[in-house]
Amino acid sequence: ELKVEQNPLFLSMQEGKNYTIYCNYSTTSDRLYWYRQDPGKSLESLFVLLSNGAVKQEGRLMASLDTKARLSTLHITAAVHDLSATYFCAPRTSGSRLTFGEGTQLTVNP
Amino acid sequence: DTEVTQTPKHLVMGMTNKKSLKCEQHMGHRAMYWYKQKAKKPPELMFVYSYEKLSINESVPSRFSPECPNSSLLNLHLHALQPEDSALYLCASSQGALWPRVDVGYTFGSGTRLTVV
Repeated sequence: ELKVEQNPLFLSMQEGKNYTIYCNYSTTSDRLYWYRQDPGKSLESLFVLLSNGAVKQEGRLMASLDTKARLSTLHITAAVHDLSATYFCAPRTSGSRLTFGEGTQLTVNP
Repeated sequence: DTEVTQTPKHLVMGMTNKKSLKCEQHMGHRAMYWYKQKAKKPPELMFVYSYEKLSINESVPSRFSPECPNSSLLNLHLHALQPEDSALYLCASSQGALWPRVDVGYTFGSGTRLTVV
């Protein structure tokens, strides 16, 4: 059974600071997704990482994937309040299953 | 059209009621999914339909009954639910597991917030 661990689960940071969210998973996966969820809302797709060494950037967010280490990171650069949300990683496994991590609740304070 | 549309957005039902959740997409996607999300928890996969056939049932209780009438529609029929079934039910679609190199992402609907009383 695939286990997905995210850390930290809660992150409170100041505007302008940098931080990294980590996502470890226990079995082989062919790709990994990052999603954002605002309270009471659905999931917004941020990144899909398709191969080992993949790196994608969008604005202040950058995601990377190391399939050998079974590790993905989501790096936040110069955080702003609008980034406050819950972030989920989700490796894909057989049958197109997405297994979500517990989520990282990010709060960016002025 | 790049959306997955779910109806209703909110549903309150009694434990003896029968209701249905509806999901629709017109992106030509051939895989559709139901996820359940409890408050402050990650989404959990319930069912996967691939080419209109049920391919995955994650040991979901029979009081939840999925149906895929055609490639654009996915229903979730609800009967004799329990209060602990109250959650956000998310539908998603993707191009299909047969095209792994093309299947870039999953599109999620806005969800149905279900309350069982």
